[in-house]
Amino acid sequence: GQQLNQSPQSMFIQEGEDVSMNCTSSSIFNTWLWYKQDPGEGPVLLIALYKAGELTSNGRLTAQFGITRKDSFLNISASIPSDVGIYFCAGQLISGTYKYIFGTGTRLKVLA
Amino acid sequence: DAGVTQSPTHLIKTRGQHVTLRCSPISGHKSVSWYQQVLGQGPQFIFQYYEKEERGRGNFPDRFSARQFPNYSSELNVNALLLGDSALYLCASSFDPGETQYFGPGTRLLVL
Repeated sequence: GQQLNQSPQSMFIQEGEDVSMNCTSSSIFNTWLWYKQDPGEGPVLLIALYKAGELTSNGRLTAQFGITRKDSFLNISASIPSDVGIYFCAGQLISGTYKYIFGTGTRLKVLA
Repeated sequence: DAGVTQSPTHLIKTRGQHVTLRCSPISGHKSVSWYQQVLGQGPQFIFQYYEKEERGRGNFPDRFSARQFPNYSSELNVNALLLGDSALYLCASSFDPGETQYFGPGTRLLVL
C-alpha cells in the first residue's frame, strides 16, 4: 500500500536531547497530522497542521507544514523516557476521498 | 467525553471464516474511517463513511466491506479470512471527512 517516506526509521537518544524527524512525499497534501503510537494501542494525535508554512507547538513538540506542501517535520525538545514510542506522520490528499496516507513510522527510544 | 471505542479488543479466527469488527465514534462525529495496520508498518486506509454513505475506499479486495448506521457507529466485515489479514484494525472518527481524525484502541485480529 501507499506510504509516505519517514526518517529516520529509528533512533536512540539520551534523555534531555532534542529529536527531529521528517516526512516527505511526491504528492501534495492539504493537512498534515502527527501521531504517537504505543505498543498494542491506537495512534494518539499530537499535532495537526492545516496551512503550508504553518508552525505549531504542543508543549515540547513542534511541527511544521512544508512550504511545498509535500513535507512536514516534527521536533521534540528535551526528550524524556515517556517519549518512547512510534511516531507517524499522516498526510491528507487533496482529493474527493479525504483519505490519510501514513508514513512508515519513526521508532524512538530514549536512554535515561 | 468518551473517545472512539472498538470491539472486540482481540479476536482469533481461522482461515476461511468471517469477522465483524465494531466502532463507535466520538459523540458528535459523523465520519468513520477504517485502517489496517500490519506489524511494523503504518496504518493503511480501507474505508471512509460519512452520513451512512461510503466516501472512500482503499486498495483492498471485495472481501472487505463496511457500513455505517444511523447513530454513526460502523462495522467492518471481512469474509474468507486469509493469514495475511492478521493485523490491528483501527477505527478513526472525525466531525466530517475533511477534519482531523481521532483513533480508537484498535481490534487485534489473528488468523490461524
